[in-house]
Amino acid sequence: DAKTTQPTSMDCAEGRAANLPCNHSTISGNEYVYWYRQIHSQGPQYIIHGLKNNETNEMASLIITEDRKSSTLILPHATLRDTAVYYCIVGGATNKLIFGTGTLLAVQP
Amino acid sequence: DAGVTQSPTHLIKTRGQQVTLRCSPKSGHDTVSWYQQALGQGPQFIFQYYEEEERQRGNFPDRFSGHQFPNYSSELNVNALLLGDSALYLCASSRTSSYNEQFFGPGTRLTVL
Repeated sequence: DAKTTQPTSMDCAEGRAANLPCNHSTISGNEYVYWYRQIHSQGPQYIIHGLKNNETNEMASLIITEDRKSSTLILPHATLRDTAVYYCIVGGATNKLIFGTGTLLAVQP
Repeated sequence: DAGVTQSPTHLIKTRGQQVTLRCSPKSGHDTVSWYQQALGQGPQFIFQYYEEEERQRGNFPDRFSGHQFPNYSSELNVNALLLGDSALYLCASSRTSSYNEQFFGPGTRLTVL
C-alpha cells in the first residue's frame, strides 16, 4: 500500500500558485519524498525529490516539514499544461516506486 | 536523445495467449522497471532489471516475466493472458546511482478480449 495520503482533486486558477499537500506520517529516516505527475495519456514525469531540506528546480518547489511527516509541492505559476494527476511517493534508495491514486490538479482558465 | 521508447503502442490479444512488450531505455541509463496501470489507478510496480538480472519484484504472478539485454533494453512477457491483464504497461529507466529519478516511456496499451 502507498505510504502517502493526498487529496483526490484540487482546482487552481491559471497563473496562480498551485500548492499540493501530501501526508506521509510513517516516513522513515532514510526515505525520500518524490513527486511525479502524469498528464492524460502519457507516462509519469519526474518532478522533484527531497530528504529533509526544501528543494527547488525549474519545475517546482518542495517544502518538507521539520518532522518530515508532510510536504507540499508548489507550482509557482500554474498553466493549463500543468493539469495532471500528481503523485507523492515515499521511498528509499531501492528504485521501487509505490504509486497511490494521486491528486488530480485541474488548472482553470 | 530519444528518451524511453516502448513498442508496440497498442496491442489486442485474446485470453490464454502470450504477449511480449519491448522497452529501450534513455541513453546512459542502466536500470529498467516495469509497471502496470489499470484504468483510473496509479501505476503498480511489476519488477526491475539491472545488469541483466531481476533485482526487485512486486506482487505479480509468475506469468509475468522479463529480460534485460546487454544493451540495457528490456522485454516484459505475460503468459496465459487474463481479461484482468488489460492495462497500460509502462517502462521506466534510471541510473542505478540516481535512486528514484525514473524516466517513463509512453506505455503500451494491452487489451485482452
